[in-house]
Amino acid sequence: ETGVTQTPRHLVMGMTNKKSLKCEQHLGHNAMYWYKQSAKKPLELMFVYNFKEQTENNSVPSRFSPECPNSSHLFLHLHTLQPEDSALYLCASSHGLAGARGDTQYFGPGTRLTVL
Amino acid sequence: AQTVTQSQPEMSVQEAETVTLSCTYDTSESDYYLFWYKQPPSRQMILVIRQEAYKQQNATENRFSVNFQKAAKSFSLKISDSQLGDAAMYFCAYRSTGANSKLTFGKGITLSVRP
Repeated sequence: ETGVTQTPRHLVMGMTNKKSLKCEQHLGHNAMYWYKQSAKKPLELMFVYNFKEQTENNSVPSRFSPECPNSSHLFLHLHTLQPEDSALYLCASSHGLAGARGDTQYFGPGTRLTVL
Repeated sequence: AQTVTQSQPEMSVQEAETVTLSCTYDTSESDYYLFWYKQPPSRQMILVIRQEAYKQQNATENRFSVNFQKAAKSFSLKISDSQLGDAAMYFCAYRSTGANSKLTFGKGITLSVRP
């Protein structure tokens, strides 16, 4: 266990559904991240939050909507997704300012999302 | 932009033997960090080892060590005395030291361990 938890672990949804992914970190970190992992492709960074403020949106479609109410929790709200959005969604956290010296990211177990 | 290349999609090693996983990267920066992450079938991404570019000494963590060749922009991972639990996908990653810098991952390599 890395101290980063994600729920649910598996999710199947239709294209018209609305669902949310949750991430919680118990490490006292201040930066949190969402990644998308598709088969045969490198991990793709989606969003970064530092001290609850979004500092990175990597050209992610608006059907993905992140929310960071505090430094310990991160959500990814999903609506009107497409089948190509099926992937493993990973959350990560790190100590402080993303990129600061000594900053290492710790990952959650991921949510396996299938869009029908 | 930085890129990370893992050219071997799969490798196999006999239990108790040693295996080396290759990684190269491209950057114009002089100070940065390199990482190896392990993702077993359970999908939890785990940090294996970290190397700081300004340190010439290769990082070591128990059975895991790296061969960091800065001039060649090469960062290979050596696993000694391979165990069945080492079977996983291994990702090489790069991060610069600038504010708000991102982790750039390679495509990963699947390592299988033969009993």
